[in-house]
Amino acid sequence: QQQVKQSPQSLIVQKGGIPIINCAYENTAFDYFPWYQQFPGKGPALLIAIRPDVSEKKEGRFTISFNKSAKQFSLHIMDSQPGDSATYFCAAQEETSGSRLTFGEGTQLTVNP
Amino acid sequence: NAGVMQNPRHLVRRRGQEARLRCSPMKGHSHVYWYRQLPEEGLKFMVYLQKENIIDESGMPKERFSAEFPKEGPSILRIQQVVRGDSAAYFCASSPRLYNEQFFGPGTRLTVL
Repeated sequence: QQQVKQSPQSLIVQKGGIPIINCAYENTAFDYFPWYQQFPGKGPALLIAIRPDVSEKKEGRFTISFNKSAKQFSLHIMDSQPGDSATYFCAAQEETSGSRLTFGEGTQLTVNP
Repeated sequence: NAGVMQNPRHLVRRRGQEARLRCSPMKGHSHVYWYRQLPEEGLKFMVYLQKENIIDESGMPKERFSAEFPKEGPSILRIQQVVRGDSAAYFCASSPRLYNEQFFGPGTRLTVL
C-alpha cells in the first residue's frame, strides 16, 4: 500500500518532443507528490511538486497532471532538450503521519538532438 | 548557502568491515533523512532524524545498521560487518522543518568487495 508505481522504465524522444512519465499510488493518505530529476553521479533535485487539491501545476516547461480519483499523476516535459536527459523519479509523502518520501522506480529519459 | 554535504563520495570496504557515512545538512536545517538507492532502483527511505533524536527508523534493516545525529557535528550512518548486498548509493536529505522540501546531497557510493 506504500508503493508508488512508475512507468515507463525508459523513454527516448527527439528534441522538441513531449515525454510523459506516469505514476500510480494506492495509499489515499498521500497528500504531497514531488518529482525529482537526477543526473548521473548526482543527488536527486526537486523539479516540481503538487498537492491533491489541484489537478494541474505548471512550472516552465514542466507540468504535473493529477487525477485524484484514479490515484495517478504524470509529468509532461514540453519542448524537451538534450539537457533534460536524466532519470526522473516521482514520489509521494503522507504529511500527516511522517516525513518520509516514497519513490517510484525511476524513468531514464534520453532526449536525442 | 552550501548544499547538503556528504562524505566520503566513494567508499570501498571488504566484507566484514565497518562503513561510516557522514552527512552535514544545509545551514539552518535540523531534519535529516537517509535513503538508499540500489542499482537500477528508486530510492528507499531508511531513517529520519532530528538533532539527538531518531524519529522514524522503520526503513532501517534491523541488524548492522545504525544512525545518529548528534547535537554537534554531522549525521552518521553506520553499517557494521558490511556484506556485498550493502553496495549501493546512500543519500542524505535535509529540511528546515517537518513537511518541507527535502534537499538531497550528492550521495556516498559504497562498494563492498
